[in-house]
Amino acid sequence: LAKTTQPISMDSYEGQEVNITCSHNNIATNDYITWYQQFPSQGPRFIIQGYKTKVTNEVASLFIPADRKSSTLSLPRVSLSDTAVYYCLVVNTGGFKTIFGAGTRLFVKA
Amino acid sequence: DTEVTQTPKHLVMGMTNKKSLKCEQHMGHRAMYWYKQKAKKPPELMFVYSYEKLSINESVPSRFSPECPNSSLLNLHLHALQPEDSALYLCASSQLAGVGYNEQFFGPGTRLTVL
Repeated sequence: LAKTTQPISMDSYEGQEVNITCSHNNIATNDYITWYQQFPSQGPRFIIQGYKTKVTNEVASLFIPADRKSSTLSLPRVSLSDTAVYYCLVVNTGGFKTIFGAGTRLFVKA
Repeated sequence: DTEVTQTPKHLVMGMTNKKSLKCEQHMGHRAMYWYKQKAKKPPELMFVYSYEKLSINESVPSRFSPECPNSSLLNLHLHALQPEDSALYLCASSQLAGVGYNEQFFGPGTRLTVL
């Protein structure tokens, strides 16, 4: 499974766009990139998943360049309630393992 | 119903006790997972069940014994635990395992303290 590397922490202000980049240099052809959000004392919550180019849903966008060695989670206009840990994962088709990266602690300030 | 439920929410046990954690989902998912999470660390995969069969055991000590009685229910039996096993135990489910698109739904976890 490809290892992921992401910033340990980030600070932002309410209303700003936040971009969190994840590096996954050893990503395989069959791997998908997935992001989860976790609040303290809760289980992680799926945010978005993608394979290439750009994926957008109601809460976030995921940008994946052509070489797929990195990806960027974009959160538009964050609020205080977006303060959480964000995990980048690489999920392998055909494998059963899910390996969470170290996570990025996002702190949104007023 | 897109919820994964876990009971109990909190559990305190001694090192000689036997207890069980329970997880339930009614989304028709055929893959279920157990994770262990220590404070300020990412979740670590312990077990994966696919179609009620154990597919992954991540070298977990035998004092943790998983069981999947049916497609909706997942148990984790605990026996002779150590204080270092104290953690948040998370259960998750997904439609299938071993596929690229794999959205896992997590329960709120059981906070376990071993004295």
